[in-house]
Amino acid sequence: GDSVTQMEGPVTLSEEAFLTINCTYTATGYPSLFWYVQYPGEGLQLLLKATKADDKGSNKGFEATYRKETTSFHLEKGSVQVSDSAVYFCALSGTGNQFYFGTGTSLTVIP
Amino acid sequence: DVKVTQSSRYLVKRTGEKVFLECVQDMDHENMFWYRQDPGLGLRLIYFSYDVKMKEKGDIPEGYSVSREKKERFSLILESASTNQTSMYLCASSLWVGQGNNQPQHFGDGTRLSIL
Repeated sequence: GDSVTQMEGPVTLSEEAFLTINCTYTATGYPSLFWYVQYPGEGLQLLLKATKADDKGSNKGFEATYRKETTSFHLEKGSVQVSDSAVYFCALSGTGNQFYFGTGTSLTVIP
Repeated sequence: DVKVTQSSRYLVKRTGEKVFLECVQDMDHENMFWYRQDPGLGLRLIYFSYDVKMKEKGDIPEGYSVSREKKERFSLILESASTNQTSMYLCASSLWVGQGNNQPQHFGDGTRLSIL
């Protein structure tokens, strides 16, 4: 069945460091891919999405490219800030309307 | 902007009580979902609904039921609460655009439920 695997955390970075959070997926057909962010005490917020191969989603300095050949959707940011500290979830939407979420990666950015 | 509102941010109940968690969305979305979130386990789907009065079991429906009497409202019911149902509960909604849906899910802020 469909599934998402993302790198385990926690991840701790210094401010202005480069961020990569790996995400790979297994799916039949042509899923859409998403990254969500969860700040402490809140629900999940959509960060970015890509709906077909080679699409690049971007928002707030974060980017991810839908790579069909490697079944990956890695999240990147060139220079993280303290305010980026949160939990990040990779997700896919396959056939039907169900989503499949990764287990989340906790990011802490220190000044 | 889509607004998904969960009725309580924090809730404390006792073992054996019947517990109702309410969720309302204001964007006329067809799809609504209930998840629970536990450390190390990510989000697990409890139930979802594609339309009024329709419901489908997710991955962990045992001990839960749902009600969707109106399109904008999706209720999660713990029939007889137990301590292992202590968790963060998240409600979400999305627009239906047919098979191969690429619409994102929109989440509420969650209800942190403690069963004593």
